[in-house]
Amino acid sequence: DAGVTQSPTHLIKTRGQQVTLRCSPKSGHDTVSWYQQALGQGPQFIFQYYEEEERQRGNFPDRFSGHQFPNYSSELNVNALLLGDSALYLCASSSFRDRASYEQYFGPGTRLTVT
Amino acid sequence: DAKTTQPNSMESNEEEPVHLPCNHSTISGTDYIHWYRQLPSQGPEYVIHGLTSNVNNRMASLAIAEDRKSSTLILHRATLRDAAVYYCILRQQITYSGNTGKLIFGQGTTLQVKP
Repeated sequence: DAGVTQSPTHLIKTRGQQVTLRCSPKSGHDTVSWYQQALGQGPQFIFQYYEEEERQRGNFPDRFSGHQFPNYSSELNVNALLLGDSALYLCASSSFRDRASYEQYFGPGTRLTVT
Repeated sequence: DAKTTQPNSMESNEEEPVHLPCNHSTISGTDYIHWYRQLPSQGPEYVIHGLTSNVNNRMASLAIAEDRKSSTLILHRATLRDAAVYYCILRQQITYSGNTGKLIFGQGTTLQVKP
């Protein structure tokens, strides 16, 4: 059973560019959350998707947007990249239907470097 | 969002027990106490969670104070593979009305295990 997968593993972009990161949830999971982790810091919640809709959003600007597809996979888009967007972007999946489980399963992350 | 306070770092000797403390004085009645850990170059992984009673699983034990304002993660026999950043997190109960159970990470405790 494949866990949470993310692509690409690493990415280098220039300021002002746009980037799309992808996430496939663990089999059986229907909810995807995205987190940003700056170097030396704990992950920060960006937003969560369930039933192809954004359910909750953290303190991130509108430059950060997302999408969830019918197969539950998700994309994170960041427009007008800033140097401060350089971070590890983590995707976590969980099951809303099985809320008693409570676990979020994290992928290995995508390391984004903005130059 | 309720906050947690953890020591920045702790050291342990291999095969000895480790007690990782967490203070959460502003915890609400419906907040669950979760622990995740992040090994180097990996995404966070779930360790254990609880509400009021002490909990045990194959990875660790969670001791919750009677007033729920603090908790302790116990690793019974630390191994070198347990060296990681340990995060204590308060997680809201997931509801259809909007609580997504997002994880609010703090700085965590960096655990070093000496052979």
